[in-house]
Amino acid sequence: EVQVVQSGAELKKPGTTVKISCSVSGYTFTAYYVHWVQQAPGKGLEWMGLIDPEDGFTRYSEKFQGRVTISADTSTDTAYMELSSLRSEDTAVYFCTPAGFGSNNKYFDLWGRGTLITVSS
Amino acid sequence: QSVLTQPPSASGTPGQRVTISCSGSSSNIGSNTVNWYQQLPGTAPKLLIYSNDQRPSGVPDRFSGSKSGTSASLAISGLQSDDEADYYCSTWDDSLRVFGGGTKLTVL
Repeated sequence: EVQVVQSGAELKKPGTTVKISCSVSGYTFTAYYVHWVQQAPGKGLEWMGLIDPEDGFTRYSEKFQGRVTISADTSTDTAYMELSSLRSEDTAVYFCTPAGFGSNNKYFDLWGRGTLITVSS
Repeated sequence: QSVLTQPPSASGTPGQRVTISCSGSSSNIGSNTVNWYQQLPGTAPKLLIYSNDQRPSGVPDRFSGSKSGTSASLAISGLQSDDEADYYCSTWDDSLRVFGGGTKLTVL
């Protein structure tokens, strides 16, 4: 079964750093980019960045550039998203979503259930 | 403020056909394909349409997508109460992925 399992909810203080994970199974981890998407309470989807697990290439949204680091461990088929200098506005659900075109030209799109990060003093 | 503009809300009655628009520019929709997502309350988004007008397996043919120039549209025919959700368009802009602001669809 193809699935994405994200790590559990986090409660963090302002100014600190959080690192959450996204473990995949049922497909070849290196076949598709892994994206991270932020959704603040009652708000829309905001793309944060992506990683190509095959070579570690990353690209980040300008909004999060400098504060976000996305990484991947091909030995455990796990992607990570680290967000630093946390502030209250970072309180949100963070989705991990592997996506892209496969060799059969079909679009692969998978979403985790999301990880809630709450930033509060 | 997203670079892709969607109406914040849309509505229709059961059985009706509704369309949701997504307006962009030459750097995003104008030069890339568009995906559409449905997000039911409290759940992760689900892919409805990819490559402007392609449906993944399992998505009913009541959902259709189109693109013209720098705009894209999602059409839902035979509206059902289960279609009440938030809908998002997505594409690429200068190698960065972008989402529209979302449209809340209400089934009256």
